[in-house]
Amino acid sequence: EIVLTQSPDFQSVPPKEKVTITCRASQSIGSSLHWYQQKPDQSPKLLIKYASQSFSGVPSRFSGSGSGTDFTLTINSLEAEDAATYYCHQSNSFPWTFGQGTKVEIK
Amino acid sequence: EVHLVESGGGLVQPGRSLRLSCAASGFTFGDFAMHWVRQAPGKGLQWVSGISRNSGNIGYADSVKGRFTISRDNAKNSLYLQMNSLRAEDTALYYCAKVSSGSWYGDAFDIWGQGTLVTVSS
Repeated sequence: EIVLTQSPDFQSVPPKEKVTITCRASQSIGSSLHWYQQKPDQSPKLLIKYASQSFSGVPSRFSGSGSGTDFTLTINSLEAEDAATYYCHQSNSFPWTFGQGTKVEIK
Repeated sequence: EVHLVESGGGLVQPGRSLRLSCAASGFTFGDFAMHWVRQAPGKGLQWVSGISRNSGNIGYADSVKGRFTISRDNAKNSLYLQMNSLRAEDTALYYCAKVSSGSWYGDAFDIWGQGTLVTVSS
């Protein structure tokens, strides 16, 4: 099973600052790495697919990069509505797995 | 508009069974692989099972293999999860999710339902 390790687990950031979340895979997964945002009491929402492709309707301040084992989600100029937990997800090999999540709080 | 609506959750005793359903609308259901993902209270996301568009490929997490069965009815635009021998650790909100481009491997989950809560307790 491919283990995805996100860092940090929690981040408290002032508005308009930049947020960087990393996701490291225990083995190479190419670009089959996706990022989701989940707000309290809501379903997860797709932000980035295939490591760097923005999903339709997602604000341009969200971007992704990386390939192989190391991936990054960046939120440029954090807004209050971005308070949420963010998960990475790999679909390169079974079983599909998720990172443990990174909670972003607005300071 | 694309919608996924789960149903069938509830309170069930350990060892009993439950069948979840996911009704799809707004897209050609038979063109896309579908998956179940669960989230225990206060915890992260866990992939449970997936099925390809023609049911030719099926996968399960080790924690549910042999107890859960995924299936689909493309004529009814519906996805199912038969859950047998339920355990307390199966307690979770169960989401169905659609893949973004139809593929079996490599794809993201672009649409999620609102989830149905399964509670396993005596």
